[in-house]
Amino acid sequence: SQQGEEDPQALSIQEGENATMNCSYKTSINNLQWYRQNSGRGLVHLILIRSNEREKHSGRLRVTLDTSKKSSSLLITASRAADTASYFCATYTGGFKTIFGAGTRLFVKA
Amino acid sequence: DAMVIQNPRYQVTQFGKPVTLSCSQTLNHNVMYWYQQKSSQAPKLLFHYYDKDFNNEADTPDNFQSRRPNTSFCFLDIRSPGLGDAAMYLCATSRVSGENEQFFGPGTRLTVL
Repeated sequence: SQQGEEDPQALSIQEGENATMNCSYKTSINNLQWYRQNSGRGLVHLILIRSNEREKHSGRLRVTLDTSKKSSSLLITASRAADTASYFCATYTGGFKTIFGAGTRLFVKA
Repeated sequence: DAMVIQNPRYQVTQFGKPVTLSCSQTLNHNVMYWYQQKSSQAPKLLFHYYDKDFNNEADTPDNFQSRRPNTSFCFLDIRSPGLGDAAMYLCATSRVSGENEQFFGPGTRLTVL
């Protein structure tokens, strides 16, 4: 079974609104990462949060991590049409394997 | 700019006809990965190389092979593609940093007729 699972599977919002995506996972992690994938393209790394961190910011992105609940959230503030993409959480538990969830498909309407 | 390049971007092959996808990187990263991603699904790791050390995932079909002739290049060979192998194939690289942030190429979309 997948380590990370995103919720919701799909999200449609108006430009300017905030978008929140959630990720739950099953086992202890070294870090959790969020990636973006535009349609038909490769993944782009957005942000990494370590297991001993609780919150991290990067531009309009805010990520939280709650290791007691084994969950993370990604907040995109003041969304733009260009933010339309799929967003994946990925958990890293060591070695060379990072496990990706199935993603949240975000659609931002102009 | 340092990057991960995949060729071709789109590949059409016939059922059972061998196909090779290529990946190159200018990041000089030790680790290279191949993922398979089907529509609306998570990328699934097929295998990775740490330098020349090859590591196959347990559930990767024998039909899939890989070669890494040097640091910069890595190939995915599908010996006898089936209809179920139609997917996006993603190549990625990472440093050996203990954090495993990965850098992806644009992917190759494989169609099997």
